[in-house]
Amino acid sequence: KAGVTQTPRYLIKTRGQQVTLSCSPISGHRSVSWYQQTPGQGLQFLFEYFSETQRNKGNFPGRFSGRQFSNSRSEMNVSTLELGDSALYLCASSLAGNEQFFGPGTRLTVL
Amino acid sequence: GQSLEQPSEVTAVEGAIVQINCTYQTSGFYGLSWYQQHDGGAPTFLSYNALDGLEETGRFSSFLSRSDSYGYLLLQELQMKDSASYFCAVRDGGYSTLTFGKGTMLLVSP
Repeated sequence: KAGVTQTPRYLIKTRGQQVTLSCSPISGHRSVSWYQQTPGQGLQFLFEYFSETQRNKGNFPGRFSGRQFSNSRSEMNVSTLELGDSALYLCASSLAGNEQFFGPGTRLTVL
Repeated sequence: GQSLEQPSEVTAVEGAIVQINCTYQTSGFYGLSWYQQHDGGAPTFLSYNALDGLEETGRFSSFLSRSDSYGYLLLQELQMKDSASYFCAVRDGGYSTLTFGKGTMLLVSP
C-alpha cells in the first residue's frame, strides 16, 4: 500500500507570493491533517479535514487555508508569504485517529 | 492552553536503556502518542496509550498515568539507529488532531 505523498518536496518562494502544497493520503484514509515544523516551534497543527470538511483548525492566521477533495487528496495554501513561513510542512493521514501516517513533507523556503 | 513538556536532549550508549518523559496540560485527553523522527525524515508512529499502564512493542515501551498527566517512552537495548528525535503528542479531541511536544533528541554513542 502506497504511503502518504506530498508534492512538491522542495519549494523556494519570495515574500508576498503565494504557494499551494498537495497531499495524497493513504488509500482509504479520509482524515488528512497538516502540520508546520520549525526548529524553534516544533510540530504545530494547522488544520484537519475529513470527508471534504474542515474538522479542526490550529492557531494560524487566515493566510493559511486548505481544502480536501472528494478523493481525499488535500491542498494547503499560504498567501502573502512571510519569511517566518519557512518551514517543513507535513501532511498526515489517518484511518482511526490513533495513528497518523506522515508524508515526507514539503520544505518551503521564503526569501 | 495546551502544553507538553519533554527534555530537549538525551544521550546514551549502545545497549543501554533510556527513558524519555513527557508531562502534558491539555483541555481534553484521548490518549498519548509517541513518534520517532530521523533527521530529514517524516515522523513515524511508535505507540499510543489511552489508558493507564505500560504498553510494550519490542524494544520500546510506553507508559501513561492520566492522574499525573505524565507518560514516558522507554527504549531498551539501544542501537545506533535509535538516534533520532522523539515526540510525545496528545490527542485532545475526538478527531485526529495531535498536539506535539517540542521533541527530545536522542543521541546514541558507541
